[in-house]
This record gives sequence, C-alpha cells and structure tokens, in this order.
Amino acid sequence: QKEVEQNSGPLSVPEGAIASLNCTYSDRGSQSFFWYRQYSGKSPELIMSIYSNGDKEDGRFTAQLNKASQYVSLLIRDSQPSDSATYLCAVNNGAGGTSYGKLTFGQGTILTVHP
Amino acid sequence: NAGVTQTPKFRILKIGQSMTLQCTQDMNHNYMYWYRQDPGMGLKLIYYSVGAGITDKGEVPNGYNVSRSTTEDFPLRLELAAPSQTSVYFCASRDDRGTDTQYFGPGTRLTVL
Repeated sequence: QKEVEQNSGPLSVPEGAIASLNCTYSDRGSQSFFWYRQYSGKSPELIMSIYSNGDKEDGRFTAQLNKASQYVSLLIRDSQPSDSATYLCAVNNGAGGTSYGKLTFGQGTILTVHP
Repeated sequence: NAGVTQTPKFRILKIGQSMTLQCTQDMNHNYMYWYRQDPGMGLKLIYYSVGAGITDKGEVPNGYNVSRSTTEDFPLRLELAAPSQTSVYFCASRDDRGTDTQYFGPGTRLTVL
C-alpha cells in the first residue's frame, strides 16, 4: 500500500509569517510530487509541482524535495489570510511509465493565517 | 473552455438506490479520473481511464462502475448505494502529453441515508 503522510494540523500562523507544510511518502519509486490547495467546499487546485531534489520557488511558495529521505515540503512566505485552506500533498509513482498520472494523496493539512 | 464539469452538485440517495454521476471535459484530455473525498481526508482514486474504451480500477473501486465511450465523458455509476458511499466525488482530467497537471471539476456532494 503506497502511503503519503502529512504533518498533523491544524496549523495556525500569524499574517506575514512563514508556514511550513511537510509530507512523507512510502514508495521509493515515486517520480512526481505535487501540492494542491483546497478551499472549504471547493475542488483542489494545483499550486506547485516538483520532480528533482532541491528547491523550486514560485512567488511566495517554495517546494522542497529530498528523495533520499522520501520527504517533500511546502513553504509559504509572507503568509496571507487568503492562504487559509487545506493543503494536500500528492505523489505520482510513475514506475515504468505505467502510472497514467495516478495520484496518491495525503490526508491534508489545514492552514489558518490569522491577521 | 468550461474545463471539467460535474452534475449534479448535490444528491441525497436512499440505501439501495442507484445513480450516475456525470463528468464532462472539453480540453480533449485522454486521461480522466474519479476520486472520492471523505470529511477531513485526502482524495482516494476510484477509477481512471486513459482513453475512450479503456478504464481501470483505482484504490477504492468496490460499489462503483465506470464507462468511457467518448473522450469527453466519464460517468461514474453507483449501484445499490450504501451509507459508506456518502462522500464528495471529484472528477479530474489530464493531458497525456506535456504537463501532468490534473484539472478538477467542482465536485458532487452525495449523501446516502
């Protein structure tokens, strides 16, 4: 059973702070890693994808991947109240080219940014 | 482009009833997926399709069936609804070339009583 685990929440940070969200995965064959944001009552939307070890930055968001430790994280700098949402980590195993884009999701971390 | 559309938005079923959740995408994507999301949980893959006429089971397929007669449509059939199928159902699609972004529909909230 391929598993994806996220740090337990909820996570509450003050406006302007850095929010750190963490995720571990069990399948060493995993190839692609994603962070989705889901507002209450809405569908998930992709905010970051990462495929290689290291950091990937996009605006206020930085994704970090460490395949040796089977760990992926998302940092949100200068957190805003509008960042309050559930953040879902997702992993595409991609083994042998037969994954067909199937994703395994973590349970999500609820982030609240308070003014 | 409308993207991925789902109908209905909400539905209440009685135990033992059947229904079909509709999903349509207008992006000409070959890959399509059905997920369910229980309260406070992540998404679990029910079924997926890699093109018209080709479907396969995901992680939690029991109690569901799918078909894919066209590229655009990927309906999910619930036979003999059970309370355990109370959930929010999301359909998603993805291009099988280039970017691997999955685009999600707005979801169907289903309650089985």
